[in-house]
Amino acid sequence: SQQGEEDPQALSIQEGENATMNCSYKTSINNLQWYRQNSGRGLVHLILIRSNEREKHSGRLRVTLDTSKKSSSLLITASRAADTASYFCATAPTSGTYKYIFGTGTRLKVLA
Amino acid sequence: DTGVSQDPRHKITKRGQNVTFRCDPISEHNRLYWYRQTLGQGPEFLTYFQNEAQLEKSRLLSDRFSAERPKGSFSTLEIQRTEQGDSAMYLCASTLGTRVNTEAFFGQGTRLTVV
Repeated sequence: SQQGEEDPQALSIQEGENATMNCSYKTSINNLQWYRQNSGRGLVHLILIRSNEREKHSGRLRVTLDTSKKSSSLLITASRAADTASYFCATAPTSGTYKYIFGTGTRLKVLA
Repeated sequence: DTGVSQDPRHKITKRGQNVTFRCDPISEHNRLYWYRQTLGQGPEFLTYFQNEAQLEKSRLLSDRFSAERPKGSFSTLEIQRTEQGDSAMYLCASTLGTRVNTEAFFGQGTRLTVV
């Protein structure tokens, strides 16, 4: 079963705009990771945020984590057509397992 | 290339046949994962290894599925008597399991189509 959900399920924006997607999860975590997946391809690791961190930046990516609300957000600034992909969050639970649990994904389409 | 490597990239098989997939993790990574992903869904956990030991298996991993990681290096995932419902992308990931907060890196996946 999947731990969480991403919101929205699909997002369509114009090139240059910002894209925000959210992830909610259910259990206590050690960290949360965001991945990108182009159609039919593997997952590309974007960023990891630890449970004691609230915000992290990497290039045009900004990730926030609110452990009290069990939620995270991924902001992509100044989007490009090449950002078109599905984005997934994955959590590493604290409770006696080393598996990563994925959300349902947000399908982002950036229009040129 | 020092990333996670999966072979084959695509496999088409007839229902009832057996298939085997291979995953080569990043060389220093001691933890290896298998996931399954169907169209429009997020990856679902199947199993993971710490070195050669298989430490956790999902209920999704029926008795037709078996995974091995001999010598703690590459891993194989075998599906016996394939069914159409096994059609999916099978993803492998590896991570350095000595640290709690470490990135998991995925391969390009093997897309299985059962006809």
